[in-house]
Amino acid sequence: QITLKESGPTLVKPTQTLTLTCTFSGFSLSTSGVGVGWIRQPPGKALEWLALIYWNDDKRYSPSLKSRLTITKDTSKNQVVLTMTNMDPVDTATYYCALSTGYYNYWGQGTLVTVSS
Amino acid sequence: AIQLTQSPSSLSASVGDRVTITCRASQGISSALAWYQQKPGKAPKLLIYDASSLESGVPSRFSGSGSGTDFTLTISSLQPEDFATYYCQQFNNYPNTFGGGTKVEIK
Repeated sequence: QITLKESGPTLVKPTQTLTLTCTFSGFSLSTSGVGVGWIRQPPGKALEWLALIYWNDDKRYSPSLKSRLTITKDTSKNQVVLTMTNMDPVDTATYYCALSTGYYNYWGQGTLVTVSS
Repeated sequence: AIQLTQSPSSLSASVGDRVTITCRASQGISSALAWYQQKPGKAPKLLIYDASSLESGVPSRFSGSGSGTDFTLTISSLQPEDFATYYCQQFNNYPNTFGGGTKVEIK
């Protein structure tokens, strides 16, 4: 059974750095072709793709957010970590991690992050 | 970045109706398109991948078609549990962009 779960702070202040962890089970991020991505969704708005890391440590980022994002993996812990610097209220959203084999066939439940002073 | 334009942005339909949602890409993406269903407060659920392949466990009333720049998601006979928001996503290029969504509401 494949599961993913996001964890991290629910509230961050403007200018702070957000660190989110995706802990997964049921698959290995050392398997060829497998990736874990991050997607966010502001309240009432559409999905926005953020970043993706592959089994071979290849990393891809949204160009509009690339300067603020870092994605890493810890294969031994079955975790993927996303950091986003210089948080702003417009970054308030539900953040999802998802298993990627091209498309995203398994998703975490999401975690709502609010940016407010 | 490739832009995906979904239409309509919302629609009202009745149980039993045939519903069609379109997704147009700003450049060709071959068949590298997926469709997701999202219900309020829930994560998206994969329905269709590779433009026309039905994800395991998804009812056969859902179907996808298209290639290149124009794609369609069809629900052949709308059921009460199908009222939700639908998103397309391309995975031919990075960033793997999503469409703006189509909300299917009860008429």
